[in-house]
Amino acid sequence: AQSVTQLDSQVPVFEEAPVELRCNYSSSVSVYLFWYVQYPNQGLQLLLKYLSGSTLVESINGFEAEFNKSQTSFHLRKPSVHISDTAEYFCAVSQGNAGNMLTFGGGTRLMVKP
Amino acid sequence: DAGITQSPRHKVTETGTPVTLRCHQTENHRYMYWYRQDPGHGLRLIHYSYGVKDTDKGEVSDGYSVSRSKTEDFLLTLESATSSQTSVYFCAISGIPRSYEQYFGPGTRLTVT
Repeated sequence: AQSVTQLDSQVPVFEEAPVELRCNYSSSVSVYLFWYVQYPNQGLQLLLKYLSGSTLVESINGFEAEFNKSQTSFHLRKPSVHISDTAEYFCAVSQGNAGNMLTFGGGTRLMVKP
Repeated sequence: DAGITQSPRHKVTETGTPVTLRCHQTENHRYMYWYRQDPGHGLRLIHYSYGVKDTDKGEVSDGYSVSRSKTEDFLLTLESATSSQTSVYFCAISGIPRSYEQYFGPGTRLTVT
């Protein structure tokens, strides 16, 4: 069975500061990795994903995540956050099995302060 | 929200009453899922569907049933609602080959009093 751990339930940060949201997973097989973002009172939106190839993946709004197989991690980073980045972020893992099943972490609430 | 709608968006009901939530997609995706979201638990899978009339249980299926009579619709039923089923319910779809990602609906906030 696979599991996903997001090490911080809340991360407060000042605007324009860098941020890292941590995600570790456990799986005995190859995985595909995702970060989703949930703004208040909305559904989850895909932020970025790692399927294969370059271990560094980027989103259109300045976030990036790096797949580290040896450390079984997929941490999300942004060099300078904005107030509008305030949201909850979920890490998820798939084994690419039938049904496209995802296992989610518990979520990290990013709170950007002015 | 990638062609996914959920209805109702908000519902308050009393303990012991039946409740049905509807998920409708216009993407013709094969797979559909129902999750519940609770503080500190992230998203937990209730039931999922591989296709019409083909469903299976997820992590927290007790007290819930589902049906899928058409590709586009996936219904979640609480046969007799309890206060522990107060939650936000999300539907998701998936089916792009070799993509593995899921797309989520806007959610239904259910309160059982």
